Amino acid sequence: TQLLEQSPQFLSIQEGENLTVYCNSSSVFSSLQWYRQEPGEGPVLLVTVVTGGEVKKLKRLTFQFGDARKDSSLHITAAQPGDTGLYLCAGALNSGYALNFGKGTSLLVTP
Amino acid sequence: ETGVTQTPRHLVMGMTNKKSLKCEQHLGHNAMYWYKQSAKKPLELMFVYNFKEQTENNSVPSRFSPECPNSSHLFLHLHTLQPEDSALYLCASSHRQGGYGYTFGSGTRLTVV
Repeated sequence: TQLLEQSPQFLSIQEGENLTVYCNSSSVFSSLQWYRQEPGEGPVLLVTVVTGGEVKKLKRLTFQFGDARKDSSLHITAAQPGDTGLYLCAGALNSGYALNFGKGTSLLVTP
Repeated sequence: ETGVTQTPRHLVMGMTNKKSLKCEQHLGHNAMYWYKQSAKKPLELMFVYNFKEQTENNSVPSRFSPECPNSSHLFLHLHTLQPEDSALYLCASSHRQGGYGYTFGSGTRLTVV
């Protein structure tokens, strides 16, 4: 059983469109993180959220942590080709535990 | 420069070979991790070291043997691997074990033939 479910698995959109990807679980997390991974590279941390209901913005990216700390979403406004990559969410069940990762959402933004 | 360096970037080995993967971090972090990334699967945690002590072995077969001589270096020794072990092996570090932000290396793409 997978701890973190990400949806959609694949998303192909045109430059300028908006999109939202989701990360869901039945477990409560002490913190949740989003990473972006490009082909041939390791994941790069985008954001960490720790408080239920928290919203963080990173330029055109908006991250939200669910009130119950079981889910999260990533919204991208006016997507650009440079946003192409695999978006991974990861959560720690307890502050002393290592991260569990979802399978990721593979995003392709075409010009 | 990500701060976490993995070598080699690519490795092809036979099932009877012995090889080692190396990971080095210059971030002053105290926790280091090995993850396996296979197609259509989430990143699988393999081993965790916190202040040089192994704190987690996620039921990894004994043909994978980790070593952490100090907080800056982590190795993964490989022997008698199987073709299904072919994957991207990622090393990561964090301030200490737990839900802190990880810094990943670029990974070693391993192919077992």
